[in-house]
Amino acid sequence: DTGVSQDPRHKITKRGQNVTFRCDPISEHNRLYWYRQTLGQGPEFLTYFQNEAQLEKSRLLSDRFSAERPKGSFSTLEIQRTEQGDSAMYLCASSSLAGGLYEQFFGPGTRLTVL
Amino acid sequence: GNSVTQMEGPVTLSEEAFLTINCTYTATGYPSLFWYVQYPGEGLQLLLKATKADDKGSNKGFEATYRKETTSFHLEKGSVQVSDSAVYFCALTGNTGKLIFGQGTTLQVKP
Repeated sequence: DTGVSQDPRHKITKRGQNVTFRCDPISEHNRLYWYRQTLGQGPEFLTYFQNEAQLEKSRLLSDRFSAERPKGSFSTLEIQRTEQGDSAMYLCASSSLAGGLYEQFFGPGTRLTVL
Repeated sequence: GNSVTQMEGPVTLSEEAFLTINCTYTATGYPSLFWYVQYPGEGLQLLLKATKADDKGSNKGFEATYRKETTSFHLEKGSVQVSDSAVYFCALTGNTGKLIFGQGTTLQVKP
């Protein structure tokens, strides 16, 4: 399967712990996006990369959150000192320019539960 | 800033009924518009898209027309099936490509 993959699919942690999620995009895609989705809401943009450069970060992304894409391929999203309000589904998407449009393909998500 | 508003759900229909899910947007410039679908237990999938005014996106019997004058992108299907039961998200994107989603509308189709 050559789609977007995310690992782990589920993560349960205790408040105050650090967690890291990984996203592997579709191989030829140069853009990678992170979103957060809470229950009953649409996904909210967190940040995106073009190749290895992080080009935009949402104001939702507090200083406890950091994302990297060191070689322009996979990306990691780390949350330090987790809080119960961080409980959500974290979605990754990748895209490349086709027909003048960056169409995004989503991974299955990582569901985070902070106890 | 840019935003998307969808009709409140859940929407419950009988099989073969006509579906409309309303979506309106606020945006500067000329965004591209999308409908994504999330089936139970699965990830987000692109359903259809439109990139400029008066474009009609269509897929799997679903249609939506980009109406700049009413800033709308309503999703329609002439005859729904039980397998269409899912959460539907309207979204827009601007120059950076980031998606701005509506809150989602849950559709339940009963046999």
